[in-house]
Amino acid sequence: GAGVSQSPRYKVAKRGQDVALRCDPISGHVSLFWYQQALGQGPEFLTYFQNEAQLDKSGLPSDRFFAERPEGSVSTLKIQRTQQEDSAVYLCASSFNRADTIYFGEGSWLTVV
Amino acid sequence: QQQVKQSPQSLIVQKGGISIINCAYENTAFDYFPWYQQFPGKGPALLIAIRPDVSEKKEGRFTISFNKSAKQFSLHIMDSQPGDSATYFCAPTSGSRLTFGEGTQLTVNP
Repeated sequence: GAGVSQSPRYKVAKRGQDVALRCDPISGHVSLFWYQQALGQGPEFLTYFQNEAQLDKSGLPSDRFFAERPEGSVSTLKIQRTQQEDSAVYLCASSFNRADTIYFGEGSWLTVV
Repeated sequence: QQQVKQSPQSLIVQKGGISIINCAYENTAFDYFPWYQQFPGKGPALLIAIRPDVSEKKEGRFTISFNKSAKQFSLHIMDSQPGDSATYFCAPTSGSRLTFGEGTQLTVNP
């Protein structure tokens, strides 16, 4: 596709439910990032992949958050036992290489009730 | 996000006016200084960026001014248009990790 594609766009989860958010980066992009954006705030870094290798996961807020990119293209962010404080927009971004322009998707809006 | 402070939080200007948004940072490891524009319901999009070896960069109506010693950089939007109404984020970068400011909501009145 022409841009970074994320699904689902909107997700309502009951507290305690597990969720999975998918990201399709721009074709050929080596670097992939996940950011979390709370309402009215700037995005915060969660994790970074170069191909299938997760090189930085220092931003993941707890061990309930897990990300993978097994074949170096599509990535999934999984949140286990969701809590209300997990409600946010989860943004995926990709770039051709580490030093190139980073392109963001439109985000997956998660609401935990 | 405390290491990046953006001001003002919100800004209202008239069409044709100049919009100025400032960003102060603490981390001297930052080596790339972009501004992102975000419309409601969309992801951030790169607007303009500067490397620390230059003090100013201009692209059309958008200019970045960079002051390395003061650890500050700013975005100037000349001839502001209603279509510029959006939230703007500075996002100084170390390696490929962006550290976003809290955002400035710009409204340009017609």
